[in-house]
Amino acid sequence: EDKVVQSPLSLVVHEGDTVTLNCSYEVTNFRSLLWYKQEKKAPTFLFMLTSSGIEKKSGRLSSILDKKELSSILNITATQTGDSAIYLCAVEASGYALNFGKGTSLLVTP
Amino acid sequence: GAVVSQHPSRVICKSGTSVKIECRSLDFQATTMFWYRQFPKQSLMLMATSNEGSKATYEQGVEKDKFLINHASLTLSTLTVTSAHPEDSSFYICSARGETRGSPYEQYFGPGTRLTVT
Repeated sequence: EDKVVQSPLSLVVHEGDTVTLNCSYEVTNFRSLLWYKQEKKAPTFLFMLTSSGIEKKSGRLSSILDKKELSSILNITATQTGDSAIYLCAVEASGYALNFGKGTSLLVTP
Repeated sequence: GAVVSQHPSRVICKSGTSVKIECRSLDFQATTMFWYRQFPKQSLMLMATSNEGSKATYEQGVEKDKFLINHASLTLSTLTVTSAHPEDSSFYICSARGETRGSPYEQYFGPGTRLTVT
């Protein structure tokens, strides 16, 4: 059975801190790993990592895929209160459906 | 990025009635659409996968006769919750996958539909 595990489940940091969120997976026929940010509504896309693109960066956010360790990290530097959200990791396997982890709830305090 | 819409965004219905939720890809043709359900403080759980013109594939534990999915065109899929019960109250999110101008075959989420069954 495919499995996606995120850690920690929740995290509270101060503005300006750097955070690292973790995602590990066990899936057959891995295609890609995706990170999403979810605030009040549906998830918004952050990154997609595949065998041919194992590191992505956008502003203060970056993500790395470790295919050997079957894991990924999402880094957020210089956190802001607007970064407070649930961060979801999902793995796309055969059939293209996404298998989501439980998410990491991040709270950035002023 | 590509746009996926859902309608309605919020619906309240009485127990025993049926509710239809629409998912549309607005600027690309969605070869595959997915329906997810999210209960409070839980992650998204895949309910079913639908390809245009064929029957949906349901995940284990999802009743196909209760959650009717129709993917009649490359831009529209509908989820009908039949004989809804309070335990069906949830956040239903669709996603669409297809080739778009910028990113081939990425998956885009709709804004979700909050269903409350009283």
